[in-house]
Amino acid sequence: QKEVEQNSGPLSVPEGAIASLNCTYSDRGSQSFFWYRQYSGKSPELIMSIYSNGDKEDGRFTAQLNKASQYVSLLIRDSQPSDSATYLCAVNPASGTYKYIFGTGTRLKVLA
Amino acid sequence: GAGVSQSPRYKVAKRGQDVALRCDPISGHVSLFWYQQALGQGPEFLTYFQNEAQLDKSGLPSDRFFAERPEGSVSTLKIQRTQQEDSAVYLCASSLEAGTGGCGYTFGSGTRLTVV
Repeated sequence: QKEVEQNSGPLSVPEGAIASLNCTYSDRGSQSFFWYRQYSGKSPELIMSIYSNGDKEDGRFTAQLNKASQYVSLLIRDSQPSDSATYLCAVNPASGTYKYIFGTGTRLKVLA
Repeated sequence: GAGVSQSPRYKVAKRGQDVALRCDPISGHVSLFWYQQALGQGPEFLTYFQNEAQLDKSGLPSDRFFAERPEGSVSTLKIQRTQQEDSAVYLCASSLEAGTGGCGYTFGSGTRLTVV
């Protein structure tokens, strides 16, 4: 079992819809969780971080964390074609460590 | 500078050639990380520096890979006798704090290495 799992996609949604991206992780002691957006040929860009169970909203983005289920998700409301990218889930596996474990990413396509 | 700077942006090396990849972190940042991202994969941890000390090199795939940060600022990742499986994007990141990745770190633009 991979430490951080994501569906590779592509996930296709129409413009204006909600895109839902999911990530599961295996290390129950993980403390910090991040979503990165990566456009083709570019480096990953941090868009959201979440540390506690529940929802965290930032503009059109909402991160959701459920530590009991070892599940993190990212919702993108009012999806735009410019949101088309690969979304990487990253997990900081234990308190006080610096490594991130990344999933392979989910490719999102927002159709105009 | 304003962000993490990496050079060169692209490097083509013949198999067996040595290469050196440079990372200029954000000024004053204590922590520096190198990651390797193969095509279609997420980044994978290579090594971590706290100032000039290399505290973790557990992710370096072989002894052909070597990283240094002699003055606690600029870092160089060196790959000796490159092989085709070394083809990847090499990402550098830095963070202000030492020893923790809890705040999320910012990557540089990366160096795309192609070994032919």
